[in-house]
Amino acid sequence: AQTVTQSQPEMSVQEAETVTLSCTYDTSENNYYLFWYKQPPSRQMILVIRQEAYKQQNATENRFSVNFQKAAKSFSLKISDSQLGDTAMYFCAFFNSGNTPLVFGKGTRLSVIA
Amino acid sequence: GAGVSQSPRYKVTKRGQDVALRCDPISGHVSLYWYRQALGQGPEFLTYFNYEAQQDKSGLPNDRFSAERPEGSISTLTIQRTEQRDSAMYRCASSLVLEDPTFGNTIYFGEGSWLTVV
Repeated sequence: AQTVTQSQPEMSVQEAETVTLSCTYDTSENNYYLFWYKQPPSRQMILVIRQEAYKQQNATENRFSVNFQKAAKSFSLKISDSQLGDTAMYFCAFFNSGNTPLVFGKGTRLSVIA
Repeated sequence: GAGVSQSPRYKVTKRGQDVALRCDPISGHVSLYWYRQALGQGPEFLTYFNYEAQQDKSGLPNDRFSAERPEGSISTLTIQRTEQRDSAMYRCASSLVLEDPTFGNTIYFGEGSWLTVV
């Protein structure tokens, strides 16, 4: 079974600084998708960024980018120019078409400090 | 409605009672998923449906938990003889197509049902 590990339960960053959240996963599959979701205090689940495993290029969405290391099974999220609104729980998730949908990590609580 | 709707939003029940949680997915969405999320934890997969067929129920914790989606639209998650450890947010999600490679863009989460067993 696939597993997703987020080893940082909590992190903090100063406003306007850059922070990196770690995620590792375990799978024997070759084709899969990785996601970062943001869960603010409102408890919504908001998709931040997505990476297809077959793509070598790291995904980027505005201030959010990933460092995808397929061989190392690592998928970290970098948030640049952190804003107060980035304060939230961040979940890394794995999806393999044909398998159980979206396996989540336990999350990292990020606090952006003014 | 425009999004995934869940009811009730909040439910407090006494231990031993049965509860039913409802999910109304986005109209036309084929796949429907149930997750459970305890405070400070990530969502834990319970079960999912394609149309009315339950595809995978491996995440259901025990036989007190069941789910159905008889007409391929609204789904009900039922917990029988509730226990305090069942207290959590139960979140429903739906997606448009089967095995969609753009899965992350097409899955929509409901706001969840908070269950507290006292």
